Amino acid sequence: DTEVTQTPKHLVMGMTNKKSLKCEQHMGHRAMYWYKQKAKKPPELMFVYSYEKLSINESVPSRFSPECPNSSLLNLHLHALQPEDSALYLCASSQVPLAGGPNEQFFGPGTRLTVL
Amino acid sequence: GQQLNQSPQSMFIQEGEDVSMNCTSSSIFNTWLWYKQDPGEGPVLLIALYKAGELTSNGRLTAQFGITRKDSFLNISASIPSDVGIYFCAGQFRASNTGKLIFGQGTTLQVKP
Repeated sequence: DTEVTQTPKHLVMGMTNKKSLKCEQHMGHRAMYWYKQKAKKPPELMFVYSYEKLSINESVPSRFSPECPNSSLLNLHLHALQPEDSALYLCASSQVPLAGGPNEQFFGPGTRLTVL
Repeated sequence: GQQLNQSPQSMFIQEGEDVSMNCTSSSIFNTWLWYKQDPGEGPVLLIALYKAGELTSNGRLTAQFGITRKDSFLNISASIPSDVGIYFCAGQFRASNTGKLIFGQGTTLQVKP
């Protein structure tokens, strides 16, 4: 069983909808990540949270809004998405990365998002 | 941006055969990770490597951190049908404290029973 869970498993939304993706980890990690993955491509980093603070935003459009309510939870709020935003959205967690230190990231099962 | 060259891009092998794939980088890494991803699921961490020359096994899987710190390989021995999936290597730059991983493009493995 994965210790990083994501809900929902699947989501279909229209371009005018507002929805949220949720991620929870039970590994005691203090770093959490959102990735976007297209079919047969590697995951692309979107956001990094470290100690519940946003540390990296990879120039993601503002229609994606992350939130980290506490050390175990990570949300991704979606608004006015485009069809090209359809993808698998992955959450991951790790120990807080230190220079030269380990960075084993553990992924959740993902949310398959379809934007109509 | 930085890229990892992962090869081969795909493999179609007979059950029982051994498999080898590798990743190379133009930059020095301090961490190499190998993941497997099944269709519709998230990547699962198989092996983590932290020292140049390190050789680590996980069941039928063996991975090594290259001496130059710029490459890594993953071997799978005696493949079975459940080994089917996409294998990704990922690396972290030596001085990085951002948590950013650089991913290879993936190796798609198909196993014929």
